[in-house]
Amino acid sequence: SAVISQKPSRDICQRGTSLTIQCQVDSQVTMMFWYRQQPGQSLTLIATANQGSEATYESGFVIDKFPISRPNLTFSTLTVSNMSPEDSSIYLCSVKNAGHSYEQYFGPGTRLTVT
Amino acid sequence: TQLLEQSPQFLSIQEGENLTVYCNSSSVFSSLQWYRQEPGEGPVLLVTVVTGGEVKKLKRLTFQFGDARKDSSLHITAAQPGDTGLYLCAGVGAGGTSYGKLTFGQGTILTVHP
Repeated sequence: SAVISQKPSRDICQRGTSLTIQCQVDSQVTMMFWYRQQPGQSLTLIATANQGSEATYESGFVIDKFPISRPNLTFSTLTVSNMSPEDSSIYLCSVKNAGHSYEQYFGPGTRLTVT
Repeated sequence: TQLLEQSPQFLSIQEGENLTVYCNSSSVFSSLQWYRQEPGEGPVLLVTVVTGGEVKKLKRLTFQFGDARKDSSLHITAAQPGDTGLYLCAGVGAGGTSYGKLTFGQGTILTVHP
């Protein structure tokens, strides 16, 4: 299994500002994903972070609002831009290796509150 | 769009009782995973079921994958307070643009009272 860390673990931000969340993995992984989760609820996939190319976004999520970087196979960032209270949520990164392993591992999440 | 319907959404039981959580879809998945999540942490993978009809046991937890690979269930025997948490099922996309992507059910918040 992979060990995943996220920074920051939580933050309180003002409306209109931006926050960049970092995701660091202790080993090289093929695929990295970013999810959003309301506390006690399900997870919604935001995008797949692709190494060396633009991220692939799911319906309802756009690059201008959630720019993503993935400079190498162990690190990715998600920026929440021009935040509003509706962006208050838990943001999680997860990783998976291609091939026969179906396992996907999640970071501890970043709890964001926008005031 | 692949959807997973998970039920019940909330479950509050006494220690020692049995329970079952269901996950249903009209779509076929290459595999289905069950996760458990505690407050302040990310989901932790409990099991992956791959073959239609497959049954896996993890101590007091029994997981079953439907024959058509569209549904799954999680059964807990003699629940304990330590089982309290959010349980999530997730279908793994079979191919194309869905390859490797997880579609999550709505989640079941389980509370086991001593």
